[in-house]
Amino acid sequence: AQKVTQAQTEISVVEKEDVTLDCVYETRDTTYYLFWYKQPPSGELVFLIRRNSFDEQNEISGRYSWNFQKSTSSFNFTITASQVVDSAVYFCALSEAVRDSGYALNFGKGTSLLVTP
Amino acid sequence: DAGVIQSPRHEVTEMGQEVTLRCKPISGHDYLFWYRQTMMRGLELLIYFNNNVPIDDSGMPEDRFSAKMPNASFSTLKIQPSEPRDSAVYFCANTLLAASSGNTIYFGEGSWLTVV
Repeated sequence: AQKVTQAQTEISVVEKEDVTLDCVYETRDTTYYLFWYKQPPSGELVFLIRRNSFDEQNEISGRYSWNFQKSTSSFNFTITASQVVDSAVYFCALSEAVRDSGYALNFGKGTSLLVTP
Repeated sequence: DAGVIQSPRHEVTEMGQEVTLRCKPISGHDYLFWYRQTMMRGLELLIYFNNNVPIDDSGMPEDRFSAKMPNASFSTLKIQPSEPRDSAVYFCANTLLAASSGNTIYFGEGSWLTVV
């Protein structure tokens, strides 16, 4: 069963628009971790944020913000005033604190974001 | 710190050949993961090690795939014999696990494998 669902396969916006990438997860654990990674066209996976299940505070980092809502099992990512350099595939991932799991990541399928000038 | 280093970055090989992908993890990071990324299946966990010991290899697709971690500074993922459907990007990733929190998992730049 898919543990992380990113329903938006592709999103296209014009520069300076705000865009929200959705992520819904599924777990029975009370302790877990959520991540967002960015994969630009060059292919590497760039860590953006980690959030643990006990911290529902929203976070803002520059033009990036994250909204974590346990009640809806969602961890959405918003880019404000998007730029062309934001064009990439964004992955949401879940890590469950299961013994010996090593906190391996379960990835969503990714959302491809295209920002046009 | 140089981060997770993978080699080769790109490899094109003929079907039936042996392929060896290499990973140099971040010093002191005790968990090492091998992931595979394809268009069809996305990012999949193949195997992971803790302190050089394989913990879970349930993601390894077939017996043609094997992974080793002979010491804390080196791991290999081998495919023998390779097939066209093995074409993918293979990522090595690392984390230093703290007892009370999941830590960030850092990825290498990936090895882009094409089997023709």
